[in-house]
Amino acid sequence: SQQGEEDPQALSIQEGENATMNCSYKTSINNLQWYRQNSGRGLVHLILIRSNEREKHSGRLRVTLDTSKKSSSLLITASRAADTASYFCATDEGGGADGLTFGKGTHLIIQP
Amino acid sequence: DSGVTQTPKHLITATGQRVTLRCSPRSGDLSVYWYQQSLDQGLQFLIQYYNGEERAKGNILERFSAQQFPDLHSELNLSSLELGDSALYFCASRGPPYGYTFGSGTRLTVV
Repeated sequence: SQQGEEDPQALSIQEGENATMNCSYKTSINNLQWYRQNSGRGLVHLILIRSNEREKHSGRLRVTLDTSKKSSSLLITASRAADTASYFCATDEGGGADGLTFGKGTHLIIQP
Repeated sequence: DSGVTQTPKHLITATGQRVTLRCSPRSGDLSVYWYQQSLDQGLQFLIQYYNGEERAKGNILERFSAQQFPDLHSELNLSSLELGDSALYFCASRGPPYGYTFGSGTRLTVV
């Protein structure tokens, strides 16, 4: 079953603008991860934030986590055409069993 | 290259047939996870193996089975295929430092 729900489902912005995607989940988690998928290709791990962290940065990416609201956001700053992809949040309840639970993703289009 | 190898990349087969998808995990990772990605269901966890033993089952149909061999590679067997089984099948392995590494997937088309 899907745990994470990304919002919006699709987002189209101009190159250079910032893109923000949100994710909500339902259960307690050990960590939350964001992945990128280029059209029909593999999943690329972007960033992981642990349940005891509130914010994390990696290059042009900034992730926040609010465990009280069971939500996370991914901000991509100064977007580029190459950022066009689908972005998924995935929750890890810990222990390794059951793997990751993915949301349905946000399709991001960066217009040049 | 993520370190997780999946073969074949594409597979086209007819309804009722059986196929085997293969996954080699990243060197040193003992866990292998299988996921199915379809347009209507999104990314669904199917099954997990750890060091040769089944560890967890998700939304895996009875027509599907998997195993992990002593060399840690894993195979996902899909039988009595239906049109609705057309999807991208990913495997992932899990290990330090942060966990999951995904392969590039096998695109299965059932015609």
